[in-house]
Amino acid sequence: GAVVSQHPSRVICKSGTSVKIECRSLDFQATTMFWYRQFPKQSLMLMATSNEGSKATYEQGVEKDKFLINHASLTLSTLTVTSAHPEDSSFYICSANSGGNTYNSPLHFGNGTRLTVT
Amino acid sequence: SQKIEQNSEALNIQEGKTATLTCNYTNYSPAYLQWYRQDPGRGPVFLLLIRENEKEKRKERLKVTFDTTLKQSLFHITASQPADSATYLCALYSSASKIIFGSGTRLSIRP
Repeated sequence: GAVVSQHPSRVICKSGTSVKIECRSLDFQATTMFWYRQFPKQSLMLMATSNEGSKATYEQGVEKDKFLINHASLTLSTLTVTSAHPEDSSFYICSANSGGNTYNSPLHFGNGTRLTVT
Repeated sequence: SQKIEQNSEALNIQEGKTATLTCNYTNYSPAYLQWYRQDPGRGPVFLLLIRENEKEKRKERLKVTFDTTLKQSLFHITASQPADSATYLCALYSSASKIIFGSGTRLSIRP
């Protein structure tokens, strides 16, 4: 089955530093990947849609300069949390679908990255 | 405004019983609806997809119904087991080319 690998699974960083999270589709190509953020006991909040070869589309209220997304190839998207602050601490999850159309094919998720900013 | 609501934040049932989870939506007209399972500290895992012209879909002990008139989907786990304990999320495709998730129901199956 389709596998999405996300790395690192956990990261602790100091306030003011930047953190990069990688999301790879291992056995399929993904022209589109999605980045979600999840707070404890809450659902997934879509942050942005990452498009291979073009700019990401950010959801309302998500700072594009804060959360930099790069989708340089059909199998890799990265999310960089710049100048991280404690309020950025959260669980970040990426996903991609292996089918041609988003709406009728399931999303395959990475196992998430637990970010803690001290 | 558009909403997806899973009415129960948590559901506790006895092993062997059928668990029924509810997903309601407003101001959407989805052609498809999906259900996912999420374990603590992990990403969601896809379970089932049901199309608007399908009343019911089954996969092993799982059954999903989709009522576009009521704007509701029900997710059933029959003969529930402690290993079924997890958070279950419904999701649908919005008009803006993205999948939106409900808040989830945390299901606990007690032995």
